[in-house]
Amino acid sequence: DGGITQSPKYLFRKEGQNVTLSCEQNLNHDAMYWYRQDPGQGLRLIYYSQIVNDFQKGDIAEGYSVSREKKESFPLTVTSAQKNPTAFYLCASSIGPFRDTGELFFGEGSRLTVL
Amino acid sequence: AQSVTQLDSQVPVFEEAPVELRCNYSSSVSVYLFWYVQYPNQGLQLLLKYLSGSTLVKGINGFVAEFNKSQSSFHLRKPSVHISDTAEYFCAVSDPRQGGSEKLVFGKGTKLTVNP
Repeated sequence: DGGITQSPKYLFRKEGQNVTLSCEQNLNHDAMYWYRQDPGQGLRLIYYSQIVNDFQKGDIAEGYSVSREKKESFPLTVTSAQKNPTAFYLCASSIGPFRDTGELFFGEGSRLTVL
Repeated sequence: AQSVTQLDSQVPVFEEAPVELRCNYSSSVSVYLFWYVQYPNQGLQLLLKYLSGSTLVKGINGFVAEFNKSQSSFHLRKPSVHISDTAEYFCAVSDPRQGGSEKLVFGKGTKLTVNP
């Protein structure tokens, strides 16, 4: 079955450590996204990529980094510069630019807790 | 800029009762509209979408939504809810002219709790 796989589902980190969240899709979608979700705040866009080897900052990119070396993969690194990293992180994909309707396909999410 | 307002942050209802989750958006142009559902500790999944055509849109699990252009609304309804409908529901809007789902704007969500 086609879909998006995020790992790990739960992650604990000590302050000052970088962590990387994995996101893999087999939907053959061109575009991929990372969102952060906090209670009562909806979804906020961190980074997105419309094509391999290219990505753009979203609304809250500070303290995060991404790469897009393969179409299927879009890992997110939460760096020690992110002041409040504890959150639920969602990866999503869409068909791609010029064909998108705005419909997103989401992974199951990764919950990061900083101790 | 577009914005989405979900008028109720929490909606408690009893099982088999009808429910309406309200969504208003601000946009001066035509829009695409979506409702997503999120069950606890899971990702979002598409419930239904309006792109064009009939203003009454049917989705999964018996949900329907009605697009009302004059009122800039896209309310979600279900005539009889089940315990399993307990989840958070997100309304979202995008501008067809801007392409790219990075422009999708989400509301802050409505938590629906169905009680026995």
